[in-house]
Amino acid sequence: AQKVTQAQTEISVVEKEDVTLDCVYETRDTTYYLFWYKQPPSGELVFLIRRNSFDEQNEISGRYSWNFQKSTSSFNFTITASQVVDSAVYFCALITNAGGTSYGKLTFGQGTILTVHP
Amino acid sequence: ETGVTQSPTHLIKTRGQQVTLRCSSQSGHNTVSWYQQALGQGPQFIFQYYREEENGRGNFPPRFSGLQFPNYSSELNVNALELDDSALYLCASSARDNEQFFGPGTRLTVL
Repeated sequence: AQKVTQAQTEISVVEKEDVTLDCVYETRDTTYYLFWYKQPPSGELVFLIRRNSFDEQNEISGRYSWNFQKSTSSFNFTITASQVVDSAVYFCALITNAGGTSYGKLTFGQGTILTVHP
Repeated sequence: ETGVTQSPTHLIKTRGQQVTLRCSSQSGHNTVSWYQQALGQGPQFIFQYYREEENGRGNFPPRFSGLQFPNYSSELNVNALELDDSALYLCASSARDNEQFFGPGTRLTVL
């Protein structure tokens, strides 16, 4: 069975602070994908990034960066110089059994509510 | 390119009624997945459809059923509604690259 844990329920920061959202996952599969989604108050889940289990290269995209470490089963997400518009719920998610005709189901964490104050 | 759309946006039903939610997948996507998101929780997988066949199901009772049409749009049907069915229902479409694109959701309230 798969499991995703986001230990931080809520984070509150002041604009321009850096913030890191933690994610720990569990799976017995060797092939899997990890995702981060953002959910603003409107409710739609916005895709941010996908990483496969064979790609531990960390990435920076603008103010966003990701730290994937298989040794600790962690996939953390950092926002640099946070802005008020970053306020949302952030979900970490996992897919296994991917490929072929079975694209798998997303297993989500409980989410982290990020509030950025001006 | 048109994204994933869902209808209706909001819906209010009473216990015991039946409801149908609709989803149009993104152009080029042949797989649709449905998720239930209760307030304050992460989305939970209901089921997935691939080329009009159910392709996996989560821990939901049989009163949750679905369809996928030849144009890859999909319906989620829930019979005998219960108060706990109140949630945001999200539809996601995907192609072979496993990246699921979500629609805006349908917020269902059961009274």
